[in-house]
Amino acid sequence: DAGVIQSPRHEVTEMGQEVTLRCKPISGHNSLFWYRQTMMRGLELLIYFNNNVPIDDSGMPEDRFSAKMPNASFSTLKIQPSEPRDSAVYFCASSLAGQGAGYGYTFGSGTRLTVV
Amino acid sequence: SQQGEEDPQALSIQEGENATMNCSYKTSINNLQWYRQNSGRGLVHLILIRSNEREKHSGRLRVTLDTSKKSSSLLITASRAADTASYFCATDPTSGSRLTFGEGTQLTVNP
Repeated sequence: DAGVIQSPRHEVTEMGQEVTLRCKPISGHNSLFWYRQTMMRGLELLIYFNNNVPIDDSGMPEDRFSAKMPNASFSTLKIQPSEPRDSAVYFCASSLAGQGAGYGYTFGSGTRLTVV
Repeated sequence: SQQGEEDPQALSIQEGENATMNCSYKTSINNLQWYRQNSGRGLVHLILIRSNEREKHSGRLRVTLDTSKKSSSLLITASRAADTASYFCATDPTSGSRLTFGEGTQLTVNP
């Protein structure tokens, strides 16, 4: 298994541009999570999906952020328009779901986003 | 606010020494997990301990859990330079459906 695959690894964009981050979870995992990590705020959960359905998007900072999961093997996180304060490392993680199921999360390598 | 809080925030030791990191949390949990993050990489799951367990071992890792004190510790024995990383605890709360991560302990193992 190749693990959770994220693309791109690095993204540099100008303020105001649209940014799309992509994630392929581990086959068979039914939960997918998008996190953002910064020095100031640490690791923040943005949104998570269970069986392709968004369950909790309360961590999405603003309407500029949107996430989709059209099928079990693909998810996107879009920022439109991007701002310099969105600069961070964005991680995707997947897991077998279920409260108390006792499975760990498998994280991707992350996308380092820089908005200039 | 974060459910788990790690202590210390940073730890520097010599190779061969043991490293102990602590985690405190606030609510009832199903399990508690520890993760490692090397610089520039994603988090890697190390070990999971369920709420009805008190201690668990995996290689050089030893995790303890005290649900009465709502705390856990991660012990890395005979540390190596390659253990240099940030270590996070994450709790699976009984009242929620996803993990909550702490802010991490930065461990530096000097050769």
